Amino acid sequence: QLQLQESGPGLVKPSETLSLTCTVSGGSISSSSYYWGWIRQPPGKGLEWIGSIYYSGSTYYNPSLKSRVTISVDTSKNQFSLKLSSVTAADTAVYYCARHTPEMTYDPWGQGTLVTVSS
Amino acid sequence: SSELTQDPAVSVALGQTVRITCQGDSLRSYYASWYQQKPGQAPVLVIYGKNNRPSGIPDRFSGSSSGNTASLTITGAQAEDEADYYCNSRDSSGNHLGVFGGGTKLTVL
Repeated sequence: QLQLQESGPGLVKPSETLSLTCTVSGGSISSSSYYWGWIRQPPGKGLEWIGSIYYSGSTYYNPSLKSRVTISVDTSKNQFSLKLSSVTAADTAVYYCARHTPEMTYDPWGQGTLVTVSS
Repeated sequence: SSELTQDPAVSVALGQTVRITCQGDSLRSYYASWYQQKPGQAPVLVIYGKNNRPSGIPDRFSGSSSGNTASLTITGAQAEDEADYYCNSRDSSGNHLGVFGGGTKLTVL
């Protein structure tokens, strides 16, 4: 059974870079059938698509975040990562990683990790 | 990028049928997927494609699509169905981008 687990600091200072890693277990991140994505949810608000990566390294980003986002993959560790630079309080959210199909069907999801931006 | 629009809140009497809708230009080209999210939990996929349910999702959940509108129908709503529901699809730009609807809070009365 495929499982995903987010990890990283729960507190980031304003203007710094948020860094999270998603570890995939129970399956290979190098599967040609799937992509790997990041989604976030500010407290009390809806889901926002951040971006995705294919095992080959091809990336796709939300245009509203593109200038600050970098997603990378490490197939040797079965992990993919998110970096979001120049964070502000508006970036405070639960960050989820998930596997998805080319049609953007997300399943399964990680449990999510809360990242708070505060000094 | 595209947008997907959902009603913020919908209510249904216990045992009755409810339809939750999602509108957007991308739905003319791509099917929506639907997710259920309960407080403090990650979203769970309930419907994808034309009308497909993942293993373990009750058959009271079904999906349909017409034009720019996708619908999630719960036939015989149960108390445990009270949750937030989100739709998503590929962006209509063709650039392999994703988009989520704003979510619908379902209350079972």
